[in-house]
Amino acid sequence: DAGVTQSPTHLIKTRGQQVTLRCSPKSGHDTVSWYQQALGQGPQFIFQYYEEEERQRGNFPDRFSGHQFPNYSSELNVNALLLGDSALYLCASSPPGQGSFEQYFGPGTRLTVT
Amino acid sequence: GNSVTQMEGPVTLSEEAFLTINCTYTATGYPSLFWYVQYPGEGLQLLLKATKADDKGSNKGFEATYRKETTSFHLEKGSVQVSDSAVYFCALSDASGGSYIPTFGRGTSLIVHP
Repeated sequence: DAGVTQSPTHLIKTRGQQVTLRCSPKSGHDTVSWYQQALGQGPQFIFQYYEEEERQRGNFPDRFSGHQFPNYSSELNVNALLLGDSALYLCASSPPGQGSFEQYFGPGTRLTVT
Repeated sequence: GNSVTQMEGPVTLSEEAFLTINCTYTATGYPSLFWYVQYPGEGLQLLLKATKADDKGSNKGFEATYRKETTSFHLEKGSVQVSDSAVYFCALSDASGGSYIPTFGRGTSLIVHP
């Protein structure tokens, strides 16, 4: 049983560019959450998707947007990249009925903005 | 708002030593408490959890007790191994208002020497 997968593993972008990160949840999970983890910090919640809609959102600007597809996979888009967006982006999935109470994390995508 | 405070790292121990990583929290409701572990190059893995006061979570020799009176959830292990070297995150999830989004601490790095 595959766990949560994310792509790409690493990414280097230039300030002002746009980036799309992808996540496939664990089999049987229907809720996907995205987190930003800066170096030496704990994960910060960006948003959560359920039934193809954004259910909750953390304190992140509108430059951060997302999407969930009918197969429950999800994308995170970041526009107008800033140097401060450099971080590890983590995707986490949850089984039905759990909300985000118990989450399974992917390995993350390391984004570097130069 | 909710917050989690962990002891600063790194914590450096010799193999078979006793481990304690302190965690205290602030929450508006009655949170569930978690410890996650992040091995190098990987995403977070749920290590243990406790959902109400005086509950003890345990897994792989690690344990933590939910102490409401001291708002603490300290992680302990009687005899650490080199393979326990990782970053440990304390987190809470507060269901008040229908949100289960977890709040993470900054993480504590554990280094175990042979």
